[in-house]
Amino acid sequence: SQQGEEDPQALSIQEGENATMNCSYKTSINNLQWYRQNSGRGLVHLILIRSNEREKHSGRLRVTLDTSKKSSSLLITASRAADTASYFCATTSYTGGFKTIFGAGTRLFVKA
Amino acid sequence: EPEVTQTPSHQVTQMGQEVILRCVPISNHLYFYWYRQILGQKVEFLVSFYNNEISEKSEIFDDQFSVERPDGSNFTLKIRSTKLEDSAMYFCASSERDSSYNEQFFGPGTRLTVL
Repeated sequence: SQQGEEDPQALSIQEGENATMNCSYKTSINNLQWYRQNSGRGLVHLILIRSNEREKHSGRLRVTLDTSKKSSSLLITASRAADTASYFCATTSYTGGFKTIFGAGTRLFVKA
Repeated sequence: EPEVTQTPSHQVTQMGQEVILRCVPISNHLYFYWYRQILGQKVEFLVSFYNNEISEKSEIFDDQFSVERPDGSNFTLKIRSTKLEDSAMYFCASSERDSSYNEQFFGPGTRLTVL
């Protein structure tokens, strides 16, 4: 079954450092999205990358997609304490209808 | 900026009771979704809805669950007879086009506690 899995499960870095989170999935996809979730709160959409795209940028965020390896990475540059959150990748595929599957997430802690 | 809203923020119910969770999607969006997140676990897809019918649903979305768009603004998730394992955060989301094109915008969630 299709599944997005992130690694690492948890990441602790100093403010100003870069944070890289990876996501792997199993089946072909239409797009891959990254979301952020602060503890106990809703999901905030960060970036959507389509299956025919290889890289996307948004501010301090850079997402890559390698469909041959069925993997994606999220890079947060110059991290801030406010970036502390859980980050999830989510893949959308057509299975008779479109379904979005979330990974287990990476918990990022940025120390001030 | 338009946003998805959900009510209530927290619902406590007894096992076996029916609950209705409410969502108001972003006004020009046409596709609606429900997800749940059991504490400490991943977000799980439940159902997608378009043009007044279910477009896709997961194995979790069994006969105990139903969705409805009773009017032009609300989108509801009903659980007919709640079980302890239904305790979770339930998120509503909406998108302008189907999820292959557009990002989904999520509401803040309803925390359902089944006692």
